[in-house]
Amino acid sequence: EVQLKESGPGLVQPSQTLSLTCTVSGFSLTDYSVHWVRQPPGKGLEWMGVMWSGGSTAYNSALKSRLSISRDTSKSQVFLKMNSLQTEDTAIYYCTRDSIYNNYFDYWGQGVMVTVSS
Amino acid sequence: DIQMTQSPASLSASLGETVTIECLASEDIYDILAWYQQKPGKSPQLLIYDASSLHTGVPSRFSGSGSGTQYSLKINSLQPEDFASYYCQNGLSAPRTFGAGTKLELK
Repeated sequence: EVQLKESGPGLVQPSQTLSLTCTVSGFSLTDYSVHWVRQPPGKGLEWMGVMWSGGSTAYNSALKSRLSISRDTSKSQVFLKMNSLQTEDTAIYYCTRDSIYNNYFDYWGQGVMVTVSS
Repeated sequence: DIQMTQSPASLSASLGETVTIECLASEDIYDILAWYQQKPGKSPQLLIYDASSLHTGVPSRFSGSGSGTQYSLKINSLQPEDFASYYCQNGLSAPRTFGAGTKLELK
């Protein structure tokens, strides 16, 4: 069974760094790409970036200077790090699996709520 | 970057009605478009991929169409569980931009 689960701190102070982990099961990170998507409260979905199955990454240009995505294939984990957090980064953060054709997201994690506040 | 313009932002409809949501891409995305449904407090769920292919388990009252830059999601005979938010997404290339969403509410 395919599963993705996000984990990380629920509260981050302004200007600090957010670190999230997406732990996957039921598939290999070397076969499927994993994306990060976030959703501020009451707002729409924002694509953040991707760890491609081949090991390269791509980022939303609006976040690129602050965002880093990496992985540990042996642990089936994908990591998101974003620095200089501000209140507008308060959101639910999701990891999601790309289809084998890399053109739609077929499985999503439950999401983790991150609040940026002092 | 490909921009996705979705309309309307909100929609009020009655049970049994048929509704259509539109999505306009800023350039040709060659039918590589997905639609997602999101219910309050839940993760988005894939409905349709490649513009018109129904994902496994999705009821046949949902259908997608379109080509080039213009796409639509149609829901026939609205059921109580269909009242949710819907998003289109560019699947052609990164950044994999989403439309701003459509909130479908019960009239």
